[in-house]
This record gives sequence, structure tokens and C-alpha cells, in this order.
Amino acid sequence: AQKVTQAQTEISVVEKEDVTLDCVYETRDTTYYLFWYKQPPSGELVFLIRRNSFDEQNEISGRYSWNFQKSTSSFNFTITASQVVDSAVYFCALSEANMEYGNKLVFGAGTILRVKS
Amino acid sequence: DTGVSQDPRHKITKRGQNVTFRCDPISEHNRLYWYRQTLGQGPEFLTYFQNEAQLEKSRLLSDRFSAERPKGSFSTLEIQRTEQGDSAMYLCASSLRYNLDNEQFFGPGTRLTVL
Repeated sequence: AQKVTQAQTEISVVEKEDVTLDCVYETRDTTYYLFWYKQPPSGELVFLIRRNSFDEQNEISGRYSWNFQKSTSSFNFTITASQVVDSAVYFCALSEANMEYGNKLVFGAGTILRVKS
Repeated sequence: DTGVSQDPRHKITKRGQNVTFRCDPISEHNRLYWYRQTLGQGPEFLTYFQNEAQLEKSRLLSDRFSAERPKGSFSTLEIQRTEQGDSAMYLCASSLRYNLDNEQFFGPGTRLTVL
């Protein structure tokens, strides 16, 4: 069975600080996708980043970057120079990579990020 | 707006009543998913459709829950004889079957409160 663990329940930072959100996953699949979603107070889940299991190259996209390490089953997400608008709940999610099946998402419990001005 | 839409956004009902929610996916998306999110938790998968066929159901989907997607476009989720434990946010998402990126686009959700 697939499982996603986000050990940090809540993180508070001051604006302009960098913050890293941790994610550890479990799966028996050899191919899979990992995602980060943001859920602001309005409630709608917003897609942020995606990584497939074939590619461990870490990237930076604007203020977002991620560190995918298959050896430790971790997919950590970093926001550089945080802003108040980054305050939200962040979810890490996992799905199998198979076009023939539903590829349902398995979510972690989420990390509440509070950015103070 | 061409995103996923859900109706209603909020529903308050009394225990024992039936409720029905609607989801309109992005028009060209052939896969549609329902998730449930309780307070302080991540969304949990309920069921998914590929076109009009319901291909997978979670064990969370008790026999009081039924979902349909009659013409492969919009979907409805009905809860019969609601219980207080059904209070949650019900999220709908859609995607393309052969989208290698497997990105699911979520709607704003329907928040259900059972009194």
C-alpha cells in the first residue's frame, strides 16, 4: 500500500526566511509520481510541482525547489524568501505512474505554513 | 472559467437526510475523481470514473454513497441517510487518461455539515 508522511504539522517563519517542508513516502511501485499541492484558506487545491520516479534531478522553479531522494524515499519542498501569501496548508502526494489505471492520489496529512510579516 | 466546478459550495443538512453534489470537470478530461477531506487531514480517495465507467471505489465509500457519471461529462455524488461523520469537504478532480504527467485539476470543493 502507498503511504505519505508529513511529520511537520505546523511551521511558522518570518517573511523572507527560507522554509523546507518534509515528505517521506512508501510504495511498492517501481514507477510513480510525487506531487506538492497548496491549499490556501479558500480551500481549493493548487498544483505546485511534480516529479516522476525516473528522474531524481532536483530543480528550481522560481522561489520553489525540491529535493527528491529515492534512496531515502523523501521528496522535500523548499520555498525561498517566503512571503505572507505563501501561508497555506501544503500537501505532499503520491500516485502510481500507469496510464491504464486511475492513478489516484495518496496524500499526506499536510503541513500548515504560517509566514509572518 | 474552464476549470473544474462544483455545486453547491456549502451544504448544511440534518442527520438522516439525503444530499447530492455535482461536479463539472474540465471539458476534455475523461477521468474524474472524488476525494473526501476531513478537518486537519489530507484528501482521501473515494472513487474515480473513466468516461462513464466507475472503475474503482475505495472502501471508504459505504453503501450509503453512490456516484454516477451518466454521459461521461458531469458527475454526481449522493449520500443517503447522512451521518455526522459524513461532515467533510468533498473534492472533485479531473485529468486526461493519457496525460503522462498525471496532473489532476481540483475543483473548489463542497463543504458538507451534518447537524
